[in-house]
Amino acid sequence: EDQVTQSPEALRLQEGESSSLNCSYTVSGLRGLFWYRQDPGKGPEFLFTLYSAGEEKEKERLKATLTKKESFLHITAPKPEDSATYLCAVQPLLYSGGGADGLTFGKGTHLIIQP
Amino acid sequence: KAGVTQTPRYLIKTRGQQVTLSCSPISGHRSVSWYQQTPGQGLQFLFEYFSETQRNKGNFPGRFSGRQFSNSRSEMNVSTLELGDSALYLCASSLTGSINSPLHFGNGTRLTVT
Repeated sequence: EDQVTQSPEALRLQEGESSSLNCSYTVSGLRGLFWYRQDPGKGPEFLFTLYSAGEEKEKERLKATLTKKESFLHITAPKPEDSATYLCAVQPLLYSGGGADGLTFGKGTHLIIQP
Repeated sequence: KAGVTQTPRYLIKTRGQQVTLSCSPISGHRSVSWYQQTPGQGLQFLFEYFSETQRNKGNFPGRFSGRQFSNSRSEMNVSTLELGDSALYLCASSLTGSINSPLHFGNGTRLTVT
């Protein structure tokens, strides 16, 4: 059974204090690993897709990396507007559907950036 | 460009009743997926439709069903509601239905079963 574990569950940082969020996964072959951001009362917002170990992607203050067992979301010099819940999800290689759906999500990391 | 629209935003139902939720995808998107989000289980995949055909289904009982219309709009139905069905139901659409086409989520329908 595919599993995704995110840590920490919650993280409080000062504005400008860089840190990393962890996503450990167990899947029978990885087709893709996805990062989403979810604000209160809203649906998840897509951030990144990573396909293979060693791959990295960046967007503004966020950088996602992938190894064979885990992914990290690095947040550099965060601002209060980066406060959100960050969700990690995987799709197995043997997934029979054709799209970026059928994802197994982690419970998320609730990130708070204090001014 | 309008995002994914889900209606209604909030819904309160009684045990044993049935409910239908609606989702309008982003214009041009042909794939629609449904997810259930609860504090205990997080986000769980329900099913995905592409060009009116269900392509895949998660591990939910048959009380959960869906359909997609020719204009890509989708509905999800839950029959014989149980207290445990209380959750945020999220719809997501994607352009091509391929893994390279990320999901765009709506803001969900909050269902409360009493």
